[in-house]
Amino acid sequence: SQKIEQNSEALNIQEGKTATLTCNYTNYSPAYLQWYRQDPGRGPVFLLLIRENEKEKRKERLKVTFDTTLKQSLFHITASQPADSATYLCALPPDPGGYNKLIFGAGTRLAVHP
Amino acid sequence: ETGVTQTPRHLVMGMTNKKSLKCEQHLGHNAMYWYKQSAKKPLELMFVYSLEERVENNSVPSRFSPECPNSSHLFLHLHTLQPEDSALYLCASSQDQGPQETQYFGPGTRLLVL
Repeated sequence: SQKIEQNSEALNIQEGKTATLTCNYTNYSPAYLQWYRQDPGRGPVFLLLIRENEKEKRKERLKVTFDTTLKQSLFHITASQPADSATYLCALPPDPGGYNKLIFGAGTRLAVHP
Repeated sequence: ETGVTQTPRHLVMGMTNKKSLKCEQHLGHNAMYWYKQSAKKPLELMFVYSLEERVENNSVPSRFSPECPNSSHLFLHLHTLQPEDSALYLCASSQDQGPQETQYFGPGTRLLVL
């Protein structure tokens, strides 16, 4: 079955730098992949969706890439700010027929220091 | 109110208690979900409802009983829970169950079972 691997160690970066988070999946390449942000004690908030035929997607300071050969998505935050500190989750369908649901990675915690 | 709301936000219950979690979405969506999130673990999908019909039950123990009286409301009835059921319970909704639907999450109910 499909598994999602996100770096469980926190990523610590300096304000103003670019943060890069990785999402790897183990099985088939999904038709799309989503990224969410979660703050402590709160529900996840949708950020970006990228389709398998899209190499890159941007939204303001956020950029997502999708490499089906590497089975990997990268999530970038440019000019990072302390307010970007949160846990970032990637999500994708669990199997080709699982169109009605998503599975989530455990997330990577990002800490941006002033 | 807007978005997805959940009540209560915090709940402490004994193993012999019966309680219910409530979720309400104000987005006009047709699909609703219950997730369990334990510390350091990915979100675990519990139930999916589409147009008030349960379409997914992810091998959840019978001590969790969902109810969806209409497309705006979702309940999770709890009885004879175990300490390992302590977690953050998240409700989410999406417009439909399409392959690229994004999910909108509520703030969650933090449950502690003693």
